[in-house]
Amino acid sequence: DGGITQSPKYLFRKEGQNVTLSCEQNLNHDAMYWYRQDPGQGLRLIYYSQIVNDFQKGDIAEGYSVSREKKESFPLTVTSAQKNPTAFYLCASKRTDSYNEQFFGPGTRLTVL
Amino acid sequence: SQQGEEDPQALSIQEGENATMNCSYKTSINNLQWYRQNSGRGLVHLILIRSNEREKHSGRLRVTLDTSKKSSSLLITASRAADTASYFCATDPLIQGAQKLVFGQGTRLTINP
Repeated sequence: DGGITQSPKYLFRKEGQNVTLSCEQNLNHDAMYWYRQDPGQGLRLIYYSQIVNDFQKGDIAEGYSVSREKKESFPLTVTSAQKNPTAFYLCASKRTDSYNEQFFGPGTRLTVL
Repeated sequence: SQQGEEDPQALSIQEGENATMNCSYKTSINNLQWYRQNSGRGLVHLILIRSNEREKHSGRLRVTLDTSKKSSSLLITASRAADTASYFCATDPLIQGAQKLVFGQGTRLTINP
């Protein structure tokens, strides 16, 4: 089955720790995205990548880092510099030649203890 | 930045009734998309309407777009309990090479049996 997978589904972090959220897709999509969603809110863009080895900051990149070494993978690291990291994190991908319809993974819920 | 604003923030109706959600945005767009999110899950793409289209249908969904008023509406006819979810509009800004969407805050729809 083609799709996007995110792991883990739930993640707990102690203050001061870095954690990495995984996002993998087998849709052969060029572009990948990371969003943050707070309770009852919409999605805010953290980082996006349109091609391997290249990525751009979104609206709320501070305290986060990403890498794009493979087309299929776009991991997100939540660093200790992110002051309020508790949130639901969503990964998405799309074909760059499409009308920008995005396909989403199931999400990772991060809680800081 | 959150370009889209959705109205109402929450909507509760009886099964079988129609549900209408509205979205307003601020800048020129290539297209506007609607997504559904079940609680604690990823988003699912519902329908895309291009800036040169005024109305589009997909099953029980009807979307309208008024670019002069920078607004869109999503109508779900003959609602079912399974339609209970949050619905988000997302705009694809008319910026060359943007390749990213801007999401609204969402409308939480509850269908009562």
